[in-house]
Amino acid sequence: DGGITQSPKYLFRKEGQNVTLSCEQNLNHDAMYWYRQDPGQGLRLIYYSQIVNDFQKGDIAEGYSVSREKKESFPLTVTSAQKNPTAFYLCASSIINQPQHFGDGTRLSIL
Amino acid sequence: EDQVTQSPEALRLQEGESSSLNCSYTVSGLRGLFWYRQDPGKGPEFLFTLYSAGEEKEKERLKATLTKKESFLHITAPKPEDSATYLCAVHHFGNEKLTFGTGTRLTIIP
Repeated sequence: DGGITQSPKYLFRKEGQNVTLSCEQNLNHDAMYWYRQDPGQGLRLIYYSQIVNDFQKGDIAEGYSVSREKKESFPLTVTSAQKNPTAFYLCASSIINQPQHFGDGTRLSIL
Repeated sequence: EDQVTQSPEALRLQEGESSSLNCSYTVSGLRGLFWYRQDPGKGPEFLFTLYSAGEEKEKERLKATLTKKESFLHITAPKPEDSATYLCAVHHFGNEKLTFGTGTRLTIIP
């Protein structure tokens, strides 16, 4: 079945550590997105990419980095510069200007 | 700047008790308004897209409507399995980003 796979489901980060969240899609969508969800707040856009080897910052890109080397994959790295990384991270993909479809998220916590 | 406000924050209904969720928005040049359903610990599931005032979409017990300032998600004779958080988002011309509301947490009591 086509869909978006995020892994791992749960992730723990130590002080000063970078961690990478995986997002893979087999929907043949050109656009991919990373959001952060915190309690009581709407989803906030971190980065998005509309084509391979190109991506743009969203509203809260500081402390995060991404790459888009393949159409199917859009990994997100949470760097040690992100001082409040505890959140639920959601990856989405879409055909340009069509509804976004989401994976089931990765919950990141601090040890 | 686009703004989306959803109300109420939480709603508890008896099974079979119909009601509506509200999504008020401010956007310059609406390209589309989206409704999603989100279950705990899961990603949002796409429900509807509305493009212009007066448009309506239906799916099972859900019906979404759109005016120039707000959208309603009407739920008719809900069942416990309709319990979830319902999210609204807007997309405007010239911007690939969606702006999300904070959601309405709906609980249907058997």
